[in-house]
Amino acid sequence: EVQLVESGGGLVQPGRSLRLSCTASGFTFGDYAMSWFRQAPGKGLEWVGFIRSKAYGGTTEYAASVKGRFTISRDDSKSIAYLQMNSLKTEDTAVYYCTRGDLLWFRVPKYYFDYWGQGTLVTVSS
Amino acid sequence: DIQMTQSPSSLSASVGDRVTITCRASQGISNSLAWYQQKPGKAPKLLLYAASRLESGVPSRFSGSGSGTDYTLTISSLQPEDFATYYCQQYYSTPPWTFGQGTKVEIK
Repeated sequence: EVQLVESGGGLVQPGRSLRLSCTASGFTFGDYAMSWFRQAPGKGLEWVGFIRSKAYGGTTEYAASVKGRFTISRDDSKSIAYLQMNSLKTEDTAVYYCTRGDLLWFRVPKYYFDYWGQGTLVTVSS
Repeated sequence: DIQMTQSPSSLSASVGDRVTITCRASQGISNSLAWYQQKPGKAPKLLLYAASRLESGVPSRFSGSGSGTDYTLTISSLQPEDFATYYCQQYYSTPPWTFGQGTKVEIK
């Protein structure tokens, strides 16, 4: 059974940093891309960042709202994906979800997200 | 960026009703569309991808159709467990992956 478990959320002051972890099980972690999404209280879903598998270069992509502040990484030996969040702002307050990216070929690889973790709440407030 | 527009934003329906939710992309997305269901306090759950492919384990009362810029999620006979918020998401032109604003399905 595929499982994704996020951890590391909590209350943090504006300007500070936080690192989220996503521990995966039930599949060969290194074979998949991973992505982070977030949902502010009472709002819709927003993509945050993405990391390809090593087979596709292990490269990353970020939403404009977090680029330069957030960094995604992965440790395939531990089946963990990370989201390092620096210079946090009050508008970063949200539930953060880790997801697994599955791949469809349509001339180029297209990724959709088939499994989601339960989410971890990050509250940025003084 | 591709903008996704869902309609309606909310609807009220009864158990057994046929429900249709539409999603329009700001440009053609060649069926690169996923639908998710989210219940309060829970993570989104993938229902369909590639516009019409049912994810494993999802009941067959859920179906998807469409092409170009216009897509539809249909629930053929609404069940009590289907009351939730539904989101469409395009993955044709990424990054960014973009969502519709959501459609809340409530009990009439």
